[in-house]
Amino acid sequence: ILNVEQSPQSLHVQEGDSTNFTCSFPSSNFYALHWYRWETAKSPEALFVMTLNGDEKKKGRISATLNTKEGYSYLYIKGSQPEDSATYLCAPGGGGGNKLTFGTGTQLKVEL
Amino acid sequence: DAEITQSPRHKITETGRQVTLACHQTWNHNNMFWYRQDLGHGLRLIHYSYGVQDTNKGEVSDGYSVSRSNTEDLPLTLESAASSQTSVYFCASSESLASEQYFGPGTRLTVT
Repeated sequence: ILNVEQSPQSLHVQEGDSTNFTCSFPSSNFYALHWYRWETAKSPEALFVMTLNGDEKKKGRISATLNTKEGYSYLYIKGSQPEDSATYLCAPGGGGGNKLTFGTGTQLKVEL
Repeated sequence: DAEITQSPRHKITETGRQVTLACHQTWNHNNMFWYRQDLGHGLRLIHYSYGVQDTNKGEVSDGYSVSRSNTEDLPLTLESAASSQTSVYFCASSESLASEQYFGPGTRLTVT
């Protein structure tokens, strides 16, 4: 079982603010890093899957970076909107086996 | 369109009863996963499968079993339901560890 830490646990921002979250994981036996967006009463939906050190991915106002050598990934949201309110999960894969270990997530609330 | 479905969506059962939760995907993915979601723990892996006739234990497999007789289905069985198994259960599938996981809508199970 990988030790995955996400910070902060929760975050309240105003509409238009930019924000970022951190995901820390063991750098040994790393295979891939997934980010998911999870709205209340729905299922998690994939945002990004990154595999290479230095990877950067972008989807609209959301982007992510990956540092596999030091074991962390950042998720950035530019100009937060109320519809960005959700829990953001990171999940590294590694340590043997074709499976992911999910962090407990960062809960984002964007207020008008 | 390809999809992943779960049934039932809600289930109430009594302690000691055997319960089976269904998961069906039409993505033709080899990898399938069962997770449970609990407050403070995020998503924890129960069992997973890489393909037909293959099953593997996850982080919290005690009291659960799965079988994979075809590509599309991975039913999860609680042999003798316990109150500690009250949770929301999510099924997911993917092509590979480097591919996003597609999640089903979830099953809310209450054991009384």
